[in-house]
Amino acid sequence: SYVLTQPPSVSVAPGQTARITCGGNNIGSKSVHWYQQKPGQAPVLVVYDDSDRPSGIPERFSGSNSGNTATLTISRVEAGDEADYYCQVWDSSSDHYVFGTGTKVTVL
Amino acid sequence: EVQLVESGGGLVKPGGSLRLSCAASGFTFSSYSMNWVRQAPGKGLEWVSSISSSSSYIYYADSVKGRFTISRDNAKNSLYLQMNSLRAEDTAVYYCARDLRDAIFDYWGQGTLVTVSS
Repeated sequence: SYVLTQPPSVSVAPGQTARITCGGNNIGSKSVHWYQQKPGQAPVLVVYDDSDRPSGIPERFSGSNSGNTATLTISRVEAGDEADYYCQVWDSSSDHYVFGTGTKVTVL
Repeated sequence: EVQLVESGGGLVKPGGSLRLSCAASGFTFSSYSMNWVRQAPGKGLEWVSSISSSSSYIYYADSVKGRFTISRDNAKNSLYLQMNSLRAEDTAVYYCARDLRDAIFDYWGQGTLVTVSS
């Protein structure tokens, strides 16, 4: 089955840039979506189709995808960005949706 | 405003059954695929099952195949998950989520907690 690997944690100072990676075999050939989840809340879509943002999501959130790694970048990090982040793809070979292992972003 | 409201969670003994419901409003329910996603306490997100808009296509995670059944009633704007032969490892918050297209889960409910314990 298809596996998406994320770093367990990323720490960043306010105002700096956080980069969260999502590794998968030839993930560059798939569309990657990213979700933010704050404690006790449902996930929220923050980036879809590798790099597009839903309405209401700040431009500080951006994404890229190439080769075996997709990346979610959060620029000018704010305290309110502290959350868990998950990448997600559709694996057509198994007809399964796959979520990454999740990354906890801590704002120092 | 799009709303998804799950219900039906609770405490059930191992081997028991439970039926979850998800009431949808604020959009044309019959036009969208829908999904169930779960999250065990302190763990990550796990996709459980998906159903296409007309119920023609149904998919399950390997961990629940043969035990869970997804269904929908477009006339009632409702999504369901029948869970049988429940195990301790099925303990989780269960979310329903709308599939905008191509696996983009653009709206989620607030979740319902299922606890499997003796």
